[in-house]
Amino acid sequence: GAVVSQHPSRVICKSGTSVKIECRSLDFQATTMFWYRQFPKKSLMLMATSNEGSKATYEQGVEKDKFLINHASLTLSTLTVTSAHPEDSSFYICSANRQNQETQYFGPGTRLLVL
Amino acid sequence: EDKVVQSPLSLVVHEGDTVTLNCSYEVTNFRSLLWYKQEKKAPTFLFMLTSSGIEKKSGRLSSILDKKELSSILNITATQTGDSAIYLCASQGAQKLVFGQGTRLTINP
Repeated sequence: GAVVSQHPSRVICKSGTSVKIECRSLDFQATTMFWYRQFPKKSLMLMATSNEGSKATYEQGVEKDKFLINHASLTLSTLTVTSAHPEDSSFYICSANRQNQETQYFGPGTRLLVL
Repeated sequence: EDKVVQSPLSLVVHEGDTVTLNCSYEVTNFRSLLWYKQEKKAPTFLFMLTSSGIEKKSGRLSSILDKKELSSILNITATQTGDSAIYLCASQGAQKLVFGQGTRLTINP
């Protein structure tokens, strides 16, 4: 398998603040990383596809100015939730592909609670 | 719009039973179908299926893809309480992975 880490695992913040979540591929290079969110008892919804060195591709309905994605290196992508509101509270999960492989390996997720 | 549907949404069985989880998909430019197990954290990879009719097996778990019926099943034999989880099916299209709603499996001792 492949190892993907996320940091932090859990974050509580006040409404209006920004929160940055990091996703790292630990033992492989990932040209593409994906960001998902999952609400309780619901499935994973793709938010955006993050490509190293270029702009992320956002899914319909996901505000790119609110969910800033940066993929500055082959092993790191970050998601910043700007001006967070309680409705942004969710489980955010990243995943990454090994080069030339389709299997996505998931990070452990970040649970965000906005008060 | 690409869609993946799983059934049942919820299943409760006794330890030792065999279960079959279903997944159907409608995906443009289908490339593969994947099964994941999700416990308290993020999903862990189980199987990737690309060819129809070829069973993939890992211990008590097995899965098969039927491209004609646009479906897949995941079988778990001799279930154990540790198999309790949400099982997610996802289909890889040209651009992205589309997930089903998941099947919440509960194994009672």
